[in-house]
Amino acid sequence: DIQMTQSPSSLSASVGDRVTITCRASQSISSYLNWYQQKPGKAPKLLIYAASSLQSGVPSRFSGSGSGTDFTLTISSLQPEDFATYYCQQSYSTPPAFGQGTRLEIK
Amino acid sequence: EVQLVQSGAEVKKPGESLKISCKGSGYSFTSYWIGWVRQMPGKGLEWMGIIYPGDSDTRYSPSFQGQVTISADKSISTAYLQWSSLKASDTAMYYCARHGDTAMVTGYYYYMDVWGKGTTVTVSS
Repeated sequence: DIQMTQSPSSLSASVGDRVTITCRASQSISSYLNWYQQKPGKAPKLLIYAASSLQSGVPSRFSGSGSGTDFTLTISSLQPEDFATYYCQQSYSTPPAFGQGTRLEIK
Repeated sequence: EVQLVQSGAEVKKPGESLKISCKGSGYSFTSYWIGWVRQMPGKGLEWMGIIYPGDSDTRYSPSFQGQVTISADKSISTAYLQWSSLKASDTAMYYCARHGDTAMVTGYYYYMDVWGKGTTVTVSS
């Protein structure tokens, strides 16, 4: 099975900051990488698929990049509603594992 | 509106059986895979398995194979997740999600694009 590792596990930032979260796959997954946002008590929400394609309705301050084994999620200017936990997920093979999550907190 | 509506919270004792549901609406239920995801208290997301309601083709994560059964009734646009004998360690939130897909030049991509609100399962003696 492919393992997904995110870093950092947690991150403190301020409104307006540029933030980058990293996700690494245990083997090459081409561009088969999704990003999700989860707020406390809520279901996850799809942000990005195919490593860099923005899901409909997601603000353009979110962007994704990478291919192979290394990927990043960038939030260009943090907004108050962005404080949440973020997960990557590979969709290259079954089971499509998630990373362990990155908790983004207010500084 | 495309949505998945999950059944309500459950409180069960160890050894009991349980079947929770996920009803789709607003789209062709038989044309998309439906997956189940576990989230234990304070923990991350774990992909459990998927089913294609059109023909009931089912795939499981090795971690959950034999532990749960995923099924669907396409006549009522509903997917199910069931346990024959619950354990305390099954205490978690369970989400169903539609697997959307997109064909691009670089390949065929799938992702979990519509989620239910989750069903809390508590197993305690």
